[in-house]
Amino acid sequence: DAKTTQPTSMDCAEGRAANLPCNHSTISGNEYVYWYRQIHSQGPQYIIHGLKNNETNEMASLIITEDRKSSTLILPHATLRDTAVYYCIVSGGGATNKLIFGTGTLLAVQP
Amino acid sequence: GAVVSQHPSWVICKSGTSVKIECRSLDFQATTMFWYRQFPKQSLMLMATSNEGSKATYEQGVEKDKFLINHASLTLSTLTVTSAHPEDSSFYICSARDHFGPSGTGELFFGEGSRLTVL
Repeated sequence: DAKTTQPTSMDCAEGRAANLPCNHSTISGNEYVYWYRQIHSQGPQYIIHGLKNNETNEMASLIITEDRKSSTLILPHATLRDTAVYYCIVSGGGATNKLIFGTGTLLAVQP
Repeated sequence: GAVVSQHPSWVICKSGTSVKIECRSLDFQATTMFWYRQFPKQSLMLMATSNEGSKATYEQGVEKDKFLINHASLTLSTLTVTSAHPEDSSFYICSARDHFGPSGTGELFFGEGSRLTVL
């Protein structure tokens, strides 16, 4: 599986958009970009995933560059409850494909 | 979304005893489940892939005789930490994909985690 690079930490003001970047320059053609977050002492929560098109759901938007070497997760209106570690993971699809977690980005939403 | 449940949420045991943690997919079937371990202030580390009806596949450095995995049905996988020692104290998390979901596009659902403390 391709490796990802994320900033260690970021701050965001409550109510503003949080933009979390991720580099995955070695991604292969059949690998998806997944985003999860982990709030302290809980299991990771699925946010969104995509292959090459931009994706949006009720939680966030995922913007993938045309060359697929990087992506940005956008939380449109961050709240204090969005404070968590956000993981960007690249993996093939299929039921048996495992997700390898990196160090993630600690997003701190400030009041 | 789909739900994965773990039990117990937390457990305290004496050194040398064995502890079993259950992972259930509540509303979908999963031929494959994954077990992770997380130490404080660290990321999740994949321990093993649990395969229904066959032997688990362990990641490098994970002792298969210490961390016994059984995946007897499409909705249940168990992790048994045998002869637990204080260094086994950790947050254990399981996950699964919906077997009948769209192949190649499904998200991995995670349990709430089980915190093990070995005294």
